[in-house]
Amino acid sequence: DAKTTQPPSMDCAEGRAANLPCNHSTISGNEYVYWYRQIHSQGPQYIIHGLKNNETNEMASLIITEDRKSSTLILPHATLRDTAVYYCIAGTDKLIFGTGTRLQVFP
Amino acid sequence: GAGVSQSPRYKVAKRGQDVALRCDPISGHVSLFWYQQALGQGPEFLTYFQNEAQLDKSGLPSDRFFAERPEGSVSTLKIQRTQQEDSAVYLCASSLEVPGTQYFGPGTRLLVL
Repeated sequence: DAKTTQPPSMDCAEGRAANLPCNHSTISGNEYVYWYRQIHSQGPQYIIHGLKNNETNEMASLIITEDRKSSTLILPHATLRDTAVYYCIAGTDKLIFGTGTRLQVFP
Repeated sequence: GAGVSQSPRYKVAKRGQDVALRCDPISGHVSLFWYQQALGQGPEFLTYFQNEAQLDKSGLPSDRFFAERPEGSVSTLKIQRTQQEDSAVYLCASSLEVPGTQYFGPGTRLLVL
């Protein structure tokens, strides 16, 4: 499974877009990019995933570069409840979590 | 529909005791995963089942850890002769297929004294 690199922390103002980057330069052709988040004391929550194309759902958008070596998770209008640790994972079956990005949304 | 459930939610064990942690996956989900999350760290993979077959147990830290899923539904993670370093949150996830989205339970918080 490919290793991912994320900034340890980010801040975002409530109502603004939060753009969380992830580097996965060693990703293999059959590995998906998954994003999960974890709010304190809860299990990880699935956000979105993609293989090659950009994806959007009710929670977020995922932008994957053409060479698939990096991606960006976009929360279009961050709220205080989006404060969490966000994990970017590249893989097929088992998920290899790194240390994630701690996103703090402030009023 | 119900999500993944785990029991107990909290477990305190004395060092040397055996513990059993249960996971009820989402109905119909073929694959089941166990992860261990130490304080302040991301979850780490332990083992993975497809139906009743344990396909990958490369993450189990020692032979004191044993997992089973005898009928391809409920799974139990057993830790024998618990030690203080086993203190962690144990997370279970299930997915309809692999590769596929994994849905996590709330975890069992184990404290070994």
